[in-house]
Amino acid sequence: NAGVTQTPKFRVLKTGQSMTLLCAQDMNHEYMYWYRQDPGMGLRLIHYSVGEGTTAKGEVPDGYNVSRLKKQNFLLGLESAAPSQTSVYFCASSYAVSQGLQLHNEQFFGPGTRLTVL
Amino acid sequence: GQSLEQPSEVTAVEGAIVQINCTYQTSGFYGLSWYQQHDGGAPTFLSYNALDGLEETGRFSSFLSRSDSYGYLLLQELQMKDSASYFCVATDSWGKLQFGAGTQVVVTP
Repeated sequence: NAGVTQTPKFRVLKTGQSMTLLCAQDMNHEYMYWYRQDPGMGLRLIHYSVGEGTTAKGEVPDGYNVSRLKKQNFLLGLESAAPSQTSVYFCASSYAVSQGLQLHNEQFFGPGTRLTVL
Repeated sequence: GQSLEQPSEVTAVEGAIVQINCTYQTSGFYGLSWYQQHDGGAPTFLSYNALDGLEETGRFSSFLSRSDSYGYLLLQELQMKDSASYFCVATDSWGKLQFGAGTQVVVTP
């Protein structure tokens, strides 16, 4: 049981290049999330998905796209990388959230991808 | 706007007790979580409060007061391995998380 895995662990891009970050989870979670973490700051939500084939924007979605073609995978794409996108990217997953009950959304995080854009 | 405020750093000696306070101002607030993150590592879940009061999990306890928009994390019997960043995190009614900037806890011998 690997939990949440991310590929790659490190990447250096030049401005204008594109890339895709892959997140995979083997816990059969419905919900998946992409965050970025900048030095000395908390995590900020980029995009999230509440199920296969669905995605939604988070707090900082500009410059990123996502896809959830399979339940276990969540891809984050950078269309044209900019230095402002230099960050550590974390993927997370959780069980489906039930409203009206005592909401408890424990998220399980992957190890992160360190991205540098020159 | 939406915000969570917590101290940037706390230093304490091994065996001591540390309290990390968090005040929040978020829309659609549903509950307060705490996550721990060691340097270079991923955040890991510590505790969650949906109702007012104290939740205890081993050496860690968390408290929430909805009327005061306030919560805290209490770390008891500090150990060197507790040196990490601790994030106050608000959960909204859709289950989305909003993180505070984090409190770095430094434990000294």
